[in-house]
Amino acid sequence: KAGVTQTPRYLIKTRGQQVTLSCSPISGHRSVSWYQQTPGQGLQFLFEYFSETQRNKGNFPGRFSGRQFSNSRSEMNVSTLELGDSALYLCASSFSRVQETQYFGPGTRLLVL
Amino acid sequence: GEDVEQSLFLSVREGDSSVINCTYTDSSSTYLYWYKQEPGAGLQLLTYIFSNMDMKQDQRLTVLLNKKDKHLSLRIADTQTGDSAIYFCAEWLAGTASKLTFGTGTRLQVTL
Repeated sequence: KAGVTQTPRYLIKTRGQQVTLSCSPISGHRSVSWYQQTPGQGLQFLFEYFSETQRNKGNFPGRFSGRQFSNSRSEMNVSTLELGDSALYLCASSFSRVQETQYFGPGTRLLVL
Repeated sequence: GEDVEQSLFLSVREGDSSVINCTYTDSSSTYLYWYKQEPGAGLQLLTYIFSNMDMKQDQRLTVLLNKKDKHLSLRIADTQTGDSAIYFCAEWLAGTASKLTFGTGTRLQVTL
């Protein structure tokens, strides 16, 4: 079974731009969560989607948003990029909200200049 | 609270055992996980333990859970250079949906 895939793997953007990251979960998994990893803050939860609905949200500004499609694929969007948004963005999938084990993708590394 | 703490660095010699420690503050944690992250890569799930267990063994990995002290450890037997990575413990709290709270990560360096 293929693992979680994320595209693109690397991105360079400038301040003020917006970016969209994509995540395809493991086949059959319906929950997708997003995390931001930075050297200073570590791994922080962004949000979780299940059945095309955002079910849980971390403490991030409204510039961070996401969505999930009927095939469980998810995208996250960051608008008006700031230098501090430079990070590794990780997507994780799990079978359901009851099944807690999450499997992570390789991440998208975003650099904001 | 949801703080999960780990020591930052551990150095061991190849062939020795490594023990990576983690403390958490929320006694309602349901599952506790260990993930491995190699440079430039995502998180690889190594193992997990349910909160009603004291120990779990999986090949070279042994997880010990002390609920009274809120202490979790990961022992890697016969540590190899390929085990060099950052190790994260994470807790999943019942009622918080699919949110994991991660520790700060422990960098394991394996020397020859």
